[in-house]
Amino acid sequence: TQLLEQSPQFLSIQEGENLTVYCNSSSVFSSLQWYRQEPGEGPVLLVTVVTGGEVKKLKRLTFQFGDARKDSSLHITAAQPGDTGLYLCAGAGSGGSNYKLTFGKGTLLTVNP
Amino acid sequence: KAGVTQTPRYLIKTRGQQVTLSCSPISGHRSVSWYQQTPGQGLQFLFEYFSETQRNKGNFPGRFSGRQFSNSRSEMNVSTLELGDSALYLCASSPGQSNQPQHFGDGTRLSIL
Repeated sequence: TQLLEQSPQFLSIQEGENLTVYCNSSSVFSSLQWYRQEPGEGPVLLVTVVTGGEVKKLKRLTFQFGDARKDSSLHITAAQPGDTGLYLCAGAGSGGSNYKLTFGKGTLLTVNP
Repeated sequence: KAGVTQTPRYLIKTRGQQVTLSCSPISGHRSVSWYQQTPGQGLQFLFEYFSETQRNKGNFPGRFSGRQFSNSRSEMNVSTLELGDSALYLCASSPGQSNQPQHFGDGTRLSIL
């Protein structure tokens, strides 16, 4: 069974601060996806990282996939209240019954003005 | 392009009843996956349908079932409801494999009394 652990589980910061959330596993994934979910809505895809060591930037958000494709991080620079939400990482399995996504339990981020 | 539509948005049932949830995927998407989201367990994969066939299945009891129609719309059924079935049920669609980036609906909030 593939598992993804996210940390921290909860994070409350002030506007303008930087933060990093982590997504770790003992399993190798073919790719890793990051989603953000706001209250009352479904998750929305932010980015997909595929290659070990890959770094992708989305405005103030920087995503990194570990060299061994077992872990990933999301760094937010100068956080804003609009960044508030539940951040979920999802690992993509491959082969047979593993053609599915395994989600971490998420990091609930609150950015206070 | 219309997004993934789930109906109803909210449901209240009592123990022992059964329930059917509906999902209309993005036009052209043939893969429909269902997830259960709870505060304690996070997002858990229920099953995936592709071209009217169940292609992948998670670790849920047989009370949870689904089907997909020729127009790719999908339904999920839960029989003999238990208190622990209270959750947000999310449907997601993608053009191909269920481990690809998913487009989620806003979910059906099911409460069991």
